[in-house]
Amino acid sequence: EAQVTQNPRYLITVTGKKLTVTCSQNMNHEYMSWYRQDPGLGLRQIYYSMNVEVTDKGDVPEGYKVSRKEKRNFPLILESPSPNQTSLYFCASSHWDRVNEQYFGPGTRLTVT
Amino acid sequence: AQSVSQHNHHVILSEAASLELGCNYSYGGTVNLFWYVQYPGQHLQLLLKYFSGDPLVKGIKGFEAEFIKSKFSFNLRKPSVQWSDTAEYFCAVTLPGSSASKIIFGSGTRLSIRP
Repeated sequence: EAQVTQNPRYLITVTGKKLTVTCSQNMNHEYMSWYRQDPGLGLRQIYYSMNVEVTDKGDVPEGYKVSRKEKRNFPLILESPSPNQTSLYFCASSHWDRVNEQYFGPGTRLTVT
Repeated sequence: AQSVSQHNHHVILSEAASLELGCNYSYGGTVNLFWYVQYPGQHLQLLLKYFSGDPLVKGIKGFEAEFIKSKFSFNLRKPSVQWSDTAEYFCAVTLPGSSASKIIFGSGTRLSIRP
């Protein structure tokens, strides 16, 4: 089954404690992206990757890092989480020429206290 | 900067009512337009898309959208909503050329249907 998986689905953590949210896709997609969803703000892109070892900033990259060492994985790293990073995070993937038709993961709800 | 505006943040309708959700974008050139739907507790799914051709686009579940270039709009419509249409709806735009890797989402419209 074609899918995008994210782990964990729910996470409560404290300010400053490094965390990683994993994202994996099994569709051999070149393009992968991270979004955060906040009430009244819709989805905002954090980072995206056009292929292995190619990443670029989205609209709200501050406080986040990503890596793309393998085609199927695109982890999101928060080196020092802060309460304003409490949000719902979505990973998505697509073929490079079909970023319009991204497959979204189930979401990770992160709470930073 | 390019942006997508959805002016209706929350829409409440009764079953069988007609629906129209507004979407406006700010970009003077060629765009690709999309509507995504997010049902409660689920991830986003593509509802319909417009690249070119007939400006009236039909999507899944009886939804349609009309691209009006002169108004920079891509409003979503459904003649008769059902309780199962309760969801959040996002309009999105991608730009051609070097910006094609970037998809810009609107802030979303929450649709609540009274049974």
